[in-house]
Parts: sequence; structure tokens; C-alpha cells
Amino acid sequence: EVQLLESGGGLVQPGGSLRLSCAASGFTFSIYAMIWVRQAPGKGLEWVSTISGSSGSTNYADSVKGRFTVSRDNSKNTLYLQMNSLRAEDTAVYYCAKDRDNTVVTYFDYWGQGTLVTVSS
Amino acid sequence: DIQMTQSPSSLSASVGDRVTITCRASQSISTYLNWYQQKPGKGPKLLIYAASSLQSGVPSRFSGSGSGTDFSLTISSLQGEDFATYYCQQTFTTPPTFGGGTKVEIK
Repeated sequence: EVQLLESGGGLVQPGGSLRLSCAASGFTFSIYAMIWVRQAPGKGLEWVSTISGSSGSTNYADSVKGRFTVSRDNSKNTLYLQMNSLRAEDTAVYYCAKDRDNTVVTYFDYWGQGTLVTVSS
Repeated sequence: DIQMTQSPSSLSASVGDRVTITCRASQSISTYLNWYQQKPGKGPKLLIYAASSLQSGVPSRFSGSGSGTDFSLTISSLQGEDFATYYCQQTFTTPPTFGGGTKVEIK
């Protein structure tokens, strides 16, 4: 059974940093692209970042480019999102998701339960 | 970025009703269109990929159609567990973008 379990969310002050983790199990982690998607309270879904299976390729939404860094440790089956210079508008539930492909975004066939990040003073 | 517009934004329906949600892309996306279901407090669940392919394990009352710019998700006979919010998503180009969602509520 595929499982994705996010952790690392919490309350952080504007300008602060946070690192999210997503522990994956139930599939061969290294051969699939992984994604971060966020959802602001009461709002819709927003793609944040994608990383290919080999970590050779990453993409970011313009809203987080230069502030967030996605990475993965295939030996630990874990996906990360380092978030720096956090702003109030980054407040959201952050979901990790698995793509059906290795390098090209196709569709997100499994999702985690999410971790809440609140940016507030 | 490609804009995805869903309609309606919400609807009320009864168990057994046939429900159709539409999604329009701001430019042609071929069939690079996916549908997700989200229940409160949960992560989204993939229902339909590539416009009309049913994800494994998803009940056959869900179906998708369309190509180019106009797409639809149909639930042939609404069940109690189907009350949720539905999102379309295009993966034709980066960034992949989602529609604003359609909340299906109990009438």
C-alpha cells in the first residue's frame, strides 16, 4: 500500500524557515517524480514544486522560486521542502504527492494527508 | 500559465442524481486533464486521468470526457460518499494548474 506521510509543519514568524518532510512507502520511491502542492485555508490547490526521480530536474512555482528548495533522499525514501523567507501568504496545508512518471508531470496518483504551515507573528 | 475554470463552483444534489461538472482551459491542452476528489481534512484523491481514464479502484459511476479546452466529470448516480470538492488539473504545461473546485453538497 502506498503511503505518504508529511511532517515538519508548524507556526513560524514571517521571514523564518521551515523544512517539511514526506516519508514514502509502498512503492519504488526513486523512479517517480514527487510533487509538493499547497492549499491555503478555505482555498483551492496550488502546485508548488516538482522533483524528478533522480533529483536531476526541479521546478518551482513563481510564487516560491528563490525561497523554497525541493530535494529528496532516495536512500531514505524521503522528500523534503526547505522553505526560507516565509511570508504570511505561504500559510497553507502542504501536501506531498507522487507522480505517475519519472520526469514529466502526468498526474498525481497518491497524496499524503498534509501538514499545516502557519506564518504569523 | 494556463487558467482552468470550473463550473459550477458549488451544487446541491440528492443521492441518486446524475451530476456533471465542467472544466474549461484557457488554451488547448489536448487530453492532459485530470480530476481529483477532496474530502474535508484529507488529501485529494485521483479519480480520472488523461481526461477519460478511470484510476484503479475508482467506482465506475465516475466518468470523464472532453479534449482541447472543454472537459466534464460526470457522476452517474450520486452516492453518499461522493459529497466532496472536485478539482480539475491540467498537466499539458508547467506549471500544472488546478481549477477552483466544485463543492458537491447534499440537497
